[in-house]
Amino acid sequence: AQSVTQLDSQVPVFEEAPVELRCNYSSSVSVYLFWYVQYPNQGLQLLLKYLSGSTLVKGINGFEAEFNKSQTSFHLRKPSVHISDTAEYFCAVGGQGRRALTFGSGTRLQVQP
Amino acid sequence: DTAVSQTPKYLVTQMGNDKSIKCEQNLGHDTMYWYKQDSKKFLKIMFSYNNKELIINETVPNRFSPKSPDKAHLNLHINSLELGDSAVYFCASSQGAGSTYNEQFFGPGTRLTVL
Repeated sequence: AQSVTQLDSQVPVFEEAPVELRCNYSSSVSVYLFWYVQYPNQGLQLLLKYLSGSTLVKGINGFEAEFNKSQTSFHLRKPSVHISDTAEYFCAVGGQGRRALTFGSGTRLQVQP
Repeated sequence: DTAVSQTPKYLVTQMGNDKSIKCEQNLGHDTMYWYKQDSKKFLKIMFSYNNKELIINETVPNRFSPKSPDKAHLNLHINSLELGDSAVYFCASSQGAGSTYNEQFFGPGTRLTVL
């Protein structure tokens, strides 16, 4: 079985400040990890993914995430956020042989001027 | 040149009605999915089809019936709609093959409101 925990339901932050959105997962098999972003009233867009290789993954819009197997974490970071980053962020896990994604409950990033 | 498209975008209907949501992907993928996002934004898999064959069927009321006429289309038919069916339904697709895991591409969603 797989599960994803996003520890913060909301993260308020000022513009140009750094941000970290936390994600922990559990899985009995090898994992593939993803971060998706959902802007208001829109669909899901892939920010970045970890499939294998380097544990530091860079994505779109200046986001990056680090896969930490020992801590079963995949935290998302951005060194300087913009107002336009205000959105809902979802961490997801998929295991080898299981095609569907298991999503976390989402973190609402609220960037304030 | 939309990759994954859904129709309609919004659907408002009365309890007890039957409705369908259509999904099409032009990415040449062989696997398609339906996810439900509830009012608390929680996303959960409902169904998955691979080459027109049902491979995932989570605990979903049998009022929900997916249909895949070909590998580019996955429609969702809902009978006897209930208030609790109100949600956003997302279609997705991926090129799932062998033991590798592939990125899923999502449609824009269909917001269903049952009155």
